[in-house]
Amino acid sequence: AQSVAQPEDQVNVAEGNPLTVKCTYSVSGNPYLFWYVQYPNRGLQFLLKYITGDNLVKGSYGFEAEFNKSQTSFHLKKPSALVSDSALYFCAVRDWRYSSASKIIFGSGTRLSIRP
Amino acid sequence: SAVISQKPSRDICQRGTSLTIQCQVDSQVTMMFWYRQQPGQSLTLIATANQGSEATYESGFVIDKFPISRPNLTFSTLTVSNMSPEDSSIYLCSVGNSNPGNTGELFFGEGSRLTVL
Repeated sequence: AQSVAQPEDQVNVAEGNPLTVKCTYSVSGNPYLFWYVQYPNRGLQFLLKYITGDNLVKGSYGFEAEFNKSQTSFHLKKPSALVSDSALYFCAVRDWRYSSASKIIFGSGTRLSIRP
Repeated sequence: SAVISQKPSRDICQRGTSLTIQCQVDSQVTMMFWYRQQPGQSLTLIATANQGSEATYESGFVIDKFPISRPNLTFSTLTVSNMSPEDSSIYLCSVGNSNPGNTGELFFGEGSRLTVL
């Protein structure tokens, strides 16, 4: 089965503290994993991806994500949160039922709230 | 990444009417998709817009309700037909490429927020 789970509906962090948004996945093929962010009243923006190679991938706005094969996780992280990071974050995985690499499955989303 | 423009950005519609959403991309793209994001929900793929042929719909979505056009590699429309309040959602156009080595990331328009009364 192809799926991705975001166990937390909401994450609250104080500005300046590190943040983690959790994601676990289940795929039958190689895990192509993505993180997207959605600011209020906006579309989704691509943050970063893991395809192969280094388990720690860096993306936009200072975010990074750590791929852990044994735990089937791909948690999003940032060392020091900003109030402007407050948004809805989606984890996504390639759907290997389709030949197109662009067929992906989205998680349920996690709302990140950074308090000043 | 491609620049994707969607129109309208938002609209309030009456039950039983239809609305067409336009998606314009600033470069030719192989793959165009239409997603729905219901209030407080994640994204659900409606269909793949195929250039020059009928769209490919996902389970639970049908052409009569969501007719899609894609006359060329930079433009697509999605029509939401005979709307009901349950169709109130954000509709998102997204693009990707199927070039060799493509790893599947998608790029999204700003979305069209529809409210059906």
